[in-house]
Amino acid sequence: DADVTQTPRNRITKTGKRIMLECSQTKGHDRMYWYRQDPGLGLRLIYYSFDVKDINKGEISDGYSVSRQAQAKFSLSLESAIPNQTALYFCATSDGLAGGVDEQFFGPGTRLTVL
Amino acid sequence: GEDVEQSLFLSVREGDSSVINCTYTDSSSTYLYWYKQEPGAGLQLLTYIFSNMDMKQDQRLTVLLNKKDKHLSLRIADTQTGDSAIYFCAESGSGGSNYKLTFGKGTLLTVNP
Repeated sequence: DADVTQTPRNRITKTGKRIMLECSQTKGHDRMYWYRQDPGLGLRLIYYSFDVKDINKGEISDGYSVSRQAQAKFSLSLESAIPNQTALYFCATSDGLAGGVDEQFFGPGTRLTVL
Repeated sequence: GEDVEQSLFLSVREGDSSVINCTYTDSSSTYLYWYKQEPGAGLQLLTYIFSNMDMKQDQRLTVLLNKKDKHLSLRIADTQTGDSAIYFCAESGSGGSNYKLTFGKGTLLTVNP
């Protein structure tokens, strides 16, 4: 079974709708992240969480919110979706070993289309 | 702010070597990474290099780091069709900032039979 799972894998929605993307992990990692990937733009960090009570904005948090329901679950919400939020969304996790390399493990992605 | 640049496309013949280049601007970068994204999948860490190293070799992969020029390269020897993917260069700091990855835009490697 995959260590980092995302649901749904694909979603088409309309402008103004509320959408939630979910991420679960079985790696036992404390750190979780949400990124978006746009063609030709690489990955940009939306939100990150170092534990259940620690949530932080990333580079492009406007229009998004998150919830860390448990160590293993981190959800991303679009309160009122707009077309320029059409993108590929990735969840990632890492164990956050202090000072060392912090390898991030990525889920398979959710392709979101906002019409 | 930090910036990571890499060319967007590379096409090679099967069996040849591939070299993907990357430049970065943050002189405090501590770790430099190469991630691979296969079609329809998430990113997977291929290898990384610590900033005080010049070279790291791992089977068919060779990473070269020129810290003075802030230039990183990934060489794939004997490139196979299964190596076709997008390759992302990324950098991070150390300690409390080791989580913060700055990614390049990705290089699409196409391997032709």
